[in-house]
Amino acid sequence: QSVLTQPPSVSGAPGQRVTISCTGSRFNIGAGYDVHWYQQLPRTAPKLLIYANNNRPSGVPDRISVSKSGTSASLAITGLQAEDEADYYCQSYDSSLSAVVFGGGTKLTVL
Amino acid sequence: QLQLQESGPGLAKPSETLSLTCTVSGGSISSNCCYWGWIRQPPGKGLEWIGTIYYSGATYYNPSLKSRVTISVDTSKNQLSLKLSSVTAADAAVFYCVRLIGYSSGPLDYWGPGTLVTVSS
Repeated sequence: QSVLTQPPSVSGAPGQRVTISCTGSRFNIGAGYDVHWYQQLPRTAPKLLIYANNNRPSGVPDRISVSKSGTSASLAITGLQAEDEADYYCQSYDSSLSAVVFGGGTKLTVL
Repeated sequence: QLQLQESGPGLAKPSETLSLTCTVSGGSISSNCCYWGWIRQPPGKGLEWIGTIYYSGATYYNPSLKSRVTISVDTSKNQLSLKLSSVTAADAAVFYCVRLIGYSSGPLDYWGPGTLVTVSS
């Protein structure tokens, strides 16, 4: 059971907008620790997608954004494309565990 | 361009110690910008943080693995290493070497391709 909770799967049609939630607690997201997001394509290493306050590594399009409220964070992808089909993970820090923690991952399917 | 490459045996025996090395190229492991670490992913499952190290030797371990994990750096070889003792089948996973930017729980901006370790007698 992951400290950060993500839906196991989400789906959307090309061109649509999807969101992936990442729910934590007062010890991690709610405590103000940064949330980072990763994309993992099949049979490849995860890739940093967006970090902290909407910071995108070079090459990541601005149709990908994040928001945070209370003990939750969300990743939003607009203008969905077939190449977005992947697993997505959130990551933060938990002060009660003194540990880097991940969400369980969300599989995004482009219909 | 920074590159990380994991290496080590792909098979470990139960109760023995798993040892992996990560070679960093295209940048220095002694850079004060960054931390280095290990992440694992059991087949078909999610990501788990193993631990993080700064080039000075300061380490941070996952409490659930702390009693079995040792992470170290060799700045002369630009390498970091992982030792996980008393392995069981539950430790089988793809192990990734990573760089963390800014702070010990910062974003993981570079990943190695990963190395699969199976645990079997």
